[in-house]
Amino acid sequence: DIQMAQSPSSVSASIGDRVTITCRASQGISSWLAWYQQKPGKAPKLLIFHASNLQSGVPSRFSGSGSGTDFTLTISSLQPEDFATYYCQQSNTFPFTFGPGTKVDL
Amino acid sequence: QVQLQESGPGLVKPSQTLSLTCSVSGGSISSGFYFWSWMRQPAGKRLEWIGRIFSSGDTNYNPSLKSRVTISVDTSNNRFSLRLNSVTAADTAVYYCARESVAVATLDSWGQGTLVTVSS
Repeated sequence: DIQMAQSPSSVSASIGDRVTITCRASQGISSWLAWYQQKPGKAPKLLIFHASNLQSGVPSRFSGSGSGTDFTLTISSLQPEDFATYYCQQSNTFPFTFGPGTKVDL
Repeated sequence: QVQLQESGPGLVKPSQTLSLTCSVSGGSISSGFYFWSWMRQPAGKRLEWIGRIFSSGDTNYNPSLKSRVTISVDTSNNRFSLRLNSVTAADTAVYYCARESVAVATLDSWGQGTLVTVSS
């Protein structure tokens, strides 16, 4: 299986901060990477697909980049509704696998 | 806008079979543009991909669960189902169904999730 790692595991930030989360795959996955936001007790919500494509309806302060094994999710100016856990997921190879998550809190 | 809703028992005894159904509304499960997937998430842990099915019945499963899992589709009722045999406490988790876009292999719509506890 392709192992997905994320760093940091948690980040404390303030409103307006720029936040960057890193995801690393154990082998190359081209651009087959998605980012999801999950709030407590809720289902994950798709933010970014194919590494850098913003899902419809997602604010433009979210952006993704990378290819191969190294990827980043950036929130350009953190808003109150952005406090959540963020997961990366690869869909290059079965079984699809998720990262351990990065919790963004105040 | 498509909506997915999981249903099924919240408590299953060890060694028995976990059965869940995902009802899809606002779109046809037979559209041909999507796979229909199951994931699970034990408390405090990362998401685990269980498998997926296409409207034709073609499936892909996580090898770690393949011997115990069956995903099926009921196109006439616009729903798909998960069966997991011989469950243990390690199968306790929130189970999610989701839609995966064929074009970009991304889970773009999710059900709210349902907690299944394995306990006697």
